[in-house]
Amino acid sequence: DGGITQSPKYLFRKEGQNVTLSCEQNLNHDAMYWYRQDPGQGLRLIYYSQIVNDFQKGDIAEGYSVSREKKESFPLTVTSAQKNPTAFYLCASSPRVHTDTQYFGPGTRLTVL
Amino acid sequence: EDQVTQSPEALRLQEGESSSLNCSYTVSGLRGLFWYRQDPGKGPEFLFTLYSAGEEKEKERLKATLTKKESFLHITAPKPEDSATYLCAVQGSGGGNKLTFGTGTQLKVEL
Repeated sequence: DGGITQSPKYLFRKEGQNVTLSCEQNLNHDAMYWYRQDPGQGLRLIYYSQIVNDFQKGDIAEGYSVSREKKESFPLTVTSAQKNPTAFYLCASSPRVHTDTQYFGPGTRLTVL
Repeated sequence: EDQVTQSPEALRLQEGESSSLNCSYTVSGLRGLFWYRQDPGKGPEFLFTLYSAGEEKEKERLKATLTKKESFLHITAPKPEDSATYLCAVQGSGGGNKLTFGTGTQLKVEL
């Protein structure tokens, strides 16, 4: 089955810790994205990547970092510099960057204790 | 700056009671308007893409329409399994073609 997987489903972090969220896709899509979803707000773009070893900041990149070493993988690190990290994080992919329908993974809920 | 406003915020229907959800938008050069369904605690599921005013798409009990200022998601004879949050997003030619999402309409269909 082709699709997008995210792990873990739930993640708890202590203040001051960095955590990494995993996103893998086997759709052979070039583009991958990370969004953050908070109650009462629309999805907000954190980072996106259109090709291996290349990525761009989205609207709310501060306190986050990413890498794209493989086409299939786009991990997101939430650093201690992110002031309000508790949220639902969604990974998405599309055949090409921004010009095609984006398909989403199941999400990771991060809670800072 | 692209903007998307969805209404109502929440909608409660009886099974079989048809209704419509609204997505009003302002965008610089519309490239596409997207509808997604999201169940609690899960990622959005793609429903439709509309590209130009006058376009319509259907899937089971759902029909999406598009004008130059808004899109409607019509739900005909809904069932309890249609209960979910429905998200609308636009993609414009300005701003790097990024998606701008609305806050969603939470639909509850009761027996």
